[in-house]
Amino acid sequence: DIVLTQSPATLSLSPGERATLSCGASRDVSSSYLAWYQQKPGLAPRLLIYDASTRATGTPDRFTGSGSGTDFTLTISRLEPEDFAVYYCQQYVSSPITFGQGTRLEIK
Amino acid sequence: EVQLVQSGAEVKKPGESLKISCKAYGYSFTTYWIGWVRQMPGKGLELMGVIYPGDSDTRYSPSFRGQVTISADKSISTAFLQWSSLKASDTAMYYCARRASSREYFESLGQGTLVTVSS
Repeated sequence: DIVLTQSPATLSLSPGERATLSCGASRDVSSSYLAWYQQKPGLAPRLLIYDASTRATGTPDRFTGSGSGTDFTLTISRLEPEDFAVYYCQQYVSSPITFGQGTRLEIK
Repeated sequence: EVQLVQSGAEVKKPGESLKISCKAYGYSFTTYWIGWVRQMPGKGLELMGVIYPGDSDTRYSPSFRGQVTISADKSISTAFLQWSSLKASDTAMYYCARRASSREYFESLGQGTLVTVSS
């Protein structure tokens, strides 16, 4: 199984700051088959990014996905109050599909 | 608009059976894979398995094979997740999710069904 390790576990920032979330894979995620989801309290996860860098419909352009191989990053250029949530990465290059353990982005 | 509407919260006792549902709206139900995702309290996301409603081809993640049954009824555009004998450790939120047509990420998720198993 491909293990995805997200860091940091918790990130404390203020609105207006830049956030950088990391997702490391235990094996190569070829073809950049990696997605990012956002989950707010009490709600279902929502797809933000797929294929490592393609924004899903409705994803604001302050969200940018990047990376390849085993190292991937989600960057939020300027945090808005609604961006404070938990973020998960997911690989879909090989079965079983796996998710990272999540990064909690909290207001400082 | 794609919508996945799940059945309501359930409270069950250990050993009881349960079947929860996910009704699809706004797209051709038979042509997209549907998955079930578990989220235990305070924890992350785990894919349990997926089904292709067009021909009921079903694939389980290794950790969940034999523990649950995934099915679909295309006549009512509904997918199901069922347990024959619940355990306390099945307490979790369960989401159904529609997979993208050509990739295995999930474009749309249901609102979730909370299953609580307690004696």
